[in-house]
Amino acid sequence: AQRVTQPEKLLSVFKGAPVELKCNYSYSGSPELFWYVQYSRQRLQLLLRHISRESIKGFTADLNKGETSFHLKKPFAQEEDSAMYYCALRGGAQKLVFGQGTRLTINP
Amino acid sequence: DVKVTQSSRYLVKRTGEKVFLECVQDMDHENMFWYRQDPGLGLRLIYFSYDVKMKEKGDIPEGYSVSREKKERFSLILESASTNQTSMYLCASSFARGTGSFETGYGYTFGSGTRLTVV
Repeated sequence: AQRVTQPEKLLSVFKGAPVELKCNYSYSGSPELFWYVQYSRQRLQLLLRHISRESIKGFTADLNKGETSFHLKKPFAQEEDSAMYYCALRGGAQKLVFGQGTRLTINP
Repeated sequence: DVKVTQSSRYLVKRTGEKVFLECVQDMDHENMFWYRQDPGLGLRLIYFSYDVKMKEKGDIPEGYSVSREKKERFSLILESASTNQTSMYLCASSFARGTGSFETGYGYTFGSGTRLTVV
C-alpha cells in the first residue's frame, strides 16, 4: 500500500528562522515524490519534484530512501511562505497519494 | 495559460438532491481526477479517469459517480447528496505516465475547487 504521513498539522516559525516540513512515505518500489502548496485563496500548485532536484522559492527537498522521507526545507522563512503544504507520492500507478497536509505560519 | 476550470466556486444543495460538479481542462491531458479536501484529512481520491469513457474508483467512491464522455471534461455526480458530503472538491488533470514533456512532468494541474455545502 502507498501511504504518505505528514506528522505536523500545524507549524509556526518566526521570519528568518529555518523551516522543515516533515514527510514520510510507505511504498515498496521506487516512488516519485512531490510537494504541493496552497496559498490563501489560491489553487493547489506544484512546488517541487524530487526527480528534478530543484530549488523553488528557496525550498529544497531530498529523497531519503533509507528513512523513507522527503522533508521540505528552507533556511530562512519569509512571511509569504505561510500556506498549506502537501506531500504527495506516486507509485506504480498514475494517481497521486497525498498526506494530511501541514499549515505553515510564519510570524513576523 | 493552461487551465483546469471547475464550473462553480460555491454550491449549496439540499439533502437528497442530485448534484453535478463539472471540470474542464484545455491541456489535452489524458488523466483526470476528483479529490475532496477536508481539514486534517488532506486530499482523498474519489474517482479518476485515464481515458474517455474510462473510470476507476479511488479511495472513497461511495455515494459518488463520474462521467467522462469527452477527453477534456470530467464530471462528478453525487447521486443523493448528504450532509457528510459537505466539502471542498478539487479536480485535477495530468499527462499519462510516459507521455508529455519532462518539464510538465507527471505533476497535476488543479482547478480552483468547488465548495459544496449540503443542508
